[in-house]
Amino acid sequence: DSGVTQTPKHLITATGQRVTLRCSPRSGDLSVYWYQQSLDQGLQFLIQYYNGEERAKGNILERFSAQQFPDLHSELNLSSLELGDSALYFCASSVVSDSYEQYFGPGTRLTVT
Amino acid sequence: DQQVKQNSPSLSVQEGRISILNCDYTNSMFDYFLWYKKYPAEGPTFLISISSIKDKNEDGRFTVFLNKSAKHLSLHIVPSQPGDSAVYFCAASLDSNYQLIWGAGTKLIIKP
Repeated sequence: DSGVTQTPKHLITATGQRVTLRCSPRSGDLSVYWYQQSLDQGLQFLIQYYNGEERAKGNILERFSAQQFPDLHSELNLSSLELGDSALYFCASSVVSDSYEQYFGPGTRLTVT
Repeated sequence: DQQVKQNSPSLSVQEGRISILNCDYTNSMFDYFLWYKKYPAEGPTFLISISSIKDKNEDGRFTVFLNKSAKHLSLHIVPSQPGDSAVYFCAASLDSNYQLIWGAGTKLIIKP
């Protein structure tokens, strides 16, 4: 158990809808990262927050947004969902803003029908 | 354009033998490489890493080798154990910006 929790574990929704994925980092970790893993692909970095502020942005679509709250949990919002958004979404955390060693949650599997 | 490639989707190895997982990369500016291990229904867990200034790093049964001229990275597990059965991801970092670029993973199966 990495100490990172993600909810929900599974989510099935229709095209055009909006969903929110939630992540609670390990106790004491200030940095949260979001990744997308499509079928049989590597993880794609989406966005990173550090202590409430956006730290780095990767290949995140404009339809997607994220935030980190004062209690350090983070939410990833996905809107106008398309079939291609079906994927595993992982959250990871680390103590500092810049760390190669990130601790991953179990992921949220999103299926868009 | 895949900058980090793991060309073997799966690998089967006998328990007790050596497992060798390979990773190739295209960008010579990568300066740090990592291996993560992933079990089903869990997120990846950090295994071992290597800086581009080194050519080998060892941690117990796990050794990572880096060949910069060939742009090739390998992970050796010896001896292989049943608990090593998992998907292994190679990842690389560019210019110390801590954003990781990941390979597609290799599924390692350890046969008893």
